[in-house]
Amino acid sequence: AQKITQTQPGMFVQEKEAVTLDCTYDTSDPSYGLFWYKQPSSGEMIFLIYQGSYDQQNATEGRYSLNFQKARKSANLVISASQLGDSAMYFCAMREDNTGGFKTIFGAGTRLFVKA
Amino acid sequence: GAVVSQHPSRVICKSGTSVKIECRSLDFQATTMFWYRQFPKQSLMLMATSNEGSKATYEQGVEKDKFLINHASLTLSTLTVTSAHPEDSSFYICSALPYRVNNEKLFFGSGTQLSVL
Repeated sequence: AQKITQTQPGMFVQEKEAVTLDCTYDTSDPSYGLFWYKQPSSGEMIFLIYQGSYDQQNATEGRYSLNFQKARKSANLVISASQLGDSAMYFCAMREDNTGGFKTIFGAGTRLFVKA
Repeated sequence: GAVVSQHPSRVICKSGTSVKIECRSLDFQATTMFWYRQFPKQSLMLMATSNEGSKATYEQGVEKDKFLINHASLTLSTLTVTSAHPEDSSFYICSALPYRVNNEKLFFGSGTQLSVL
């Protein structure tokens, strides 16, 4: 079974508008972390944001925020005020602390296109 | 922030040769490093977990004799693709989990594009 599911292969957004990238996850481990990474065409993995399973508040990092809905097991990434440089692949990832040996596994990714 | 250096960034080799990829944590100690493989337009697939001073743990379906991993120190892990074949052509990327310091996220190397002719 898929542990991390990203159902949007591609997304388009107009420059300066907000966009939500979806991510759902599946785990029975009570302690886990959720991440979003950006991968531009150069291939490097750029860390965007982190949400711990015990965190009460949604994580925010500048223009990035994570909409964490624990009961629904979703961790959507919201990018506000999109910029042309935001065009890239975005990966949702999860680390299971007790059962996963701190391994981080990735979803299939969503390619974001920002239009001028 | 923490920096992970990965070399080489690109390598082209003949079928049957071996290729070594290095992953170094430059300003922190990493007791655990992870090696991922990524095919074009696909996700990162975890190949193995490398622990300093012990044998690597391979994911199901990954040939440990084909992909040799050595984690000799707290700052260096190497992946050797032995007897490379064209199907081994891929993007390989390492990541490091800092020891004691902010272990919430992985720090990634810049990746190695391997092309086997």
